[in-house]
Amino acid sequence: EDQVTQSPEALRLQEGESSSLNCSYTVSGLRGLFWYRQDPGKGPEFLFTLYSAGEEKEKERLKATLTKKESFLHITAPKPEDSATYLCASWMDSSYKLIFGSGTRLLVRP
Amino acid sequence: DTGVSQNPRHKITKRGQNVTFRCDPISEHNRLYWYRQTLGQGPEFLTYFQNEAQLEKSRLLSDRFSAERPKGSFSTLEIQRTEQGDSAMYLCASSLSQGAVYNEQFFGPGTRLTVL
Repeated sequence: EDQVTQSPEALRLQEGESSSLNCSYTVSGLRGLFWYRQDPGKGPEFLFTLYSAGEEKEKERLKATLTKKESFLHITAPKPEDSATYLCASWMDSSYKLIFGSGTRLLVRP
Repeated sequence: DTGVSQNPRHKITKRGQNVTFRCDPISEHNRLYWYRQTLGQGPEFLTYFQNEAQLEKSRLLSDRFSAERPKGSFSTLEIQRTEQGDSAMYLCASSLSQGAVYNEQFFGPGTRLTVL
């Protein structure tokens, strides 16, 4: 069964303390891996799409990478405003739907 | 702002009542998606449209759920005979088809449904 698993479920960081979030996927025919940010009570906000193993994308303090089995979202020197739930989702062959993981809830303390 | 919009933002209803939600996608986007999200979980796919054609439905979409996109623009999602288990955030997303290469989906703010 196609599945996306995120770890850890929750992460507490001190401001400036860099870390990584993991997204592992078991899907057949991966066509893309998406990262979204979601604030409480709001819809997911698009961050990145990665289409092939070895690809990397950056935006401010965030950097996403992709291998054949997993993706990482690296957060460098986070700030309190980076606190949110980060969701990853896979896009597989034969469908345009996204399969989401359960997310990582990130809290950055000042 | 020409992002995805959803109405209403909140809906409280009694069990057994029917509810309808509306989604207006980004204007040039021809694909429209509905997802459902419960607390602590990621969004789960319900259905999607390309223009006015409904191309895929999840097994989650029971016969009490129906979605339409009559003119390939806005979409409605109706839930008949609501149950307490239908309480969730209903999210709409849209994307612009660019062949089969790209699939960035942009989400609206969601409609939070509470069934009493």
